[in-house]
Amino acid sequence: AQSVAQPEDQVNVAEGNPLTVKCTYSVSGNPYLFWYVQYPNRGLQFLLKYITGDNLVKGSYGFEAEFNKSQTSFHLKKPSALVSDSALYFCAVLRRGGGNKLTFGTGTQLKVEL
Amino acid sequence: KAGVTQTPRYLIKTRGQQVTLSCSPISGHRSVSWYQQTPGQGLQFLFEYFSETQRNKGNFPGRFSGRQFSNSRSEMNVSTLELGDSALYLCASSFLDSQETQYFGPGTRLLVL
Repeated sequence: AQSVAQPEDQVNVAEGNPLTVKCTYSVSGNPYLFWYVQYPNRGLQFLLKYITGDNLVKGSYGFEAEFNKSQTSFHLKKPSALVSDSALYFCAVLRRGGGNKLTFGTGTQLKVEL
Repeated sequence: KAGVTQTPRYLIKTRGQQVTLSCSPISGHRSVSWYQQTPGQGLQFLFEYFSETQRNKGNFPGRFSGRQFSNSRSEMNVSTLELGDSALYLCASSFLDSQETQYFGPGTRLLVL
């Protein structure tokens, strides 16, 4: 069975500072990894994914994530946070060959303050 | 391209009733997955349909069912509603394989009284 851990319920950061939202995963074999963002009363919006290749993945709105196989981590990062980045962020894993069953973490609320 | 659409957006039902939710995927997408989001359990996978066949199923009781039509539109049905079924139900579509990105609709918020 696959699982995802997001150890921080909330991350607070000042606007202009770098941000990191942590994610670790457990899955048999090589994973597909995703980050989604959810704004209040909205569905999930895709940010980026790791399928194979370069461990540093660049996504939408200046976000990037680094796949670390030895640490089974896929942390989301952004060099300079914006107030508009404040939202709920979900990491998800998908087992290769397992169809489209995404397993999500519990989510991390990001709050960017002026 | 238009995104994933879900209808209705909001729904209020009483215990014991049944409900049907609808999802129209992005044009050309053949896989439709359903997820339940609640404050207590988070995001949980319900089932996935591909070419009108259920390809994956999560750990939900048989009261939760779904189907997919030849145009890839999907419906999910919940019978004998319970208070705990109150949730945001999200539909996601993708083109084909698991490496493809799943794009989510805005969800249907179901309240069971």
